[in-house]
Amino acid sequence: GAVVSQHPSWVICKSGTSVKIECRSLDFQATTMFWYRQFPKQSLMLMATSNEGSKATYEQGVEKDKFLINHASLTLSTLTVTSAHPEDSSFYICSARSGSTGELFFGEGSRLTVL
Amino acid sequence: DAKTTQPTSMDCAEGRAANLPCNHSTISGNEYVYWYRQIHSQGPQYIIHGLKNNETNEMASLIITEDRKSSTLILPHATLRDTAVYYCIVTQTSGSRLTFGEGTQLTVNP
Repeated sequence: GAVVSQHPSWVICKSGTSVKIECRSLDFQATTMFWYRQFPKQSLMLMATSNEGSKATYEQGVEKDKFLINHASLTLSTLTVTSAHPEDSSFYICSARSGSTGELFFGEGSRLTVL
Repeated sequence: DAKTTQPTSMDCAEGRAANLPCNHSTISGNEYVYWYRQIHSQGPQYIIHGLKNNETNEMASLIITEDRKSSTLILPHATLRDTAVYYCIVTQTSGSRLTFGEGTQLTVNP
């Protein structure tokens, strides 16, 4: 089946630094990718939708200058958490929609811990 | 997308069938019912989806009531590895943005 890979799977950083998380579709072209955030014992919350070659659409309450999303190619989207703080510590999950079949596939998630 | 309601938690004995209910009374005619599950600290995994008819695949069966206002996911022979949070989601198309509710924590006991 189609695979979506996230990297890194976990990262620890100091407060004030920026962290980039990659989401790759390994065997299909993803016209649309979605980024979710999940706090402990809570459900997934959609942060933003990114379409290849255009600006991401952010959900209400998500700071676009804080969470920079780039979808420069049909197989790669990146989420950069800028000036990270401990409250940004979370599990970040991406999903990618196949441009040919329309199916949706999820990555394995990236756990960010900000000290 | 229509809102769904699921029990917070359920328990099931290993080897028995697990029946997970979902209410979606405001579902519209062109909306599908999708089921995903999330094992701890992993990304969601697709299980099954349906529109009107009951569906079965190698993982599970999906039973949708005739009025489409509720559905049941059936894991016919639950194993310990099926312990996870199960999400019932209603959405218009297969590749749409998915809105996750709180889901049902299924615990399969030995």
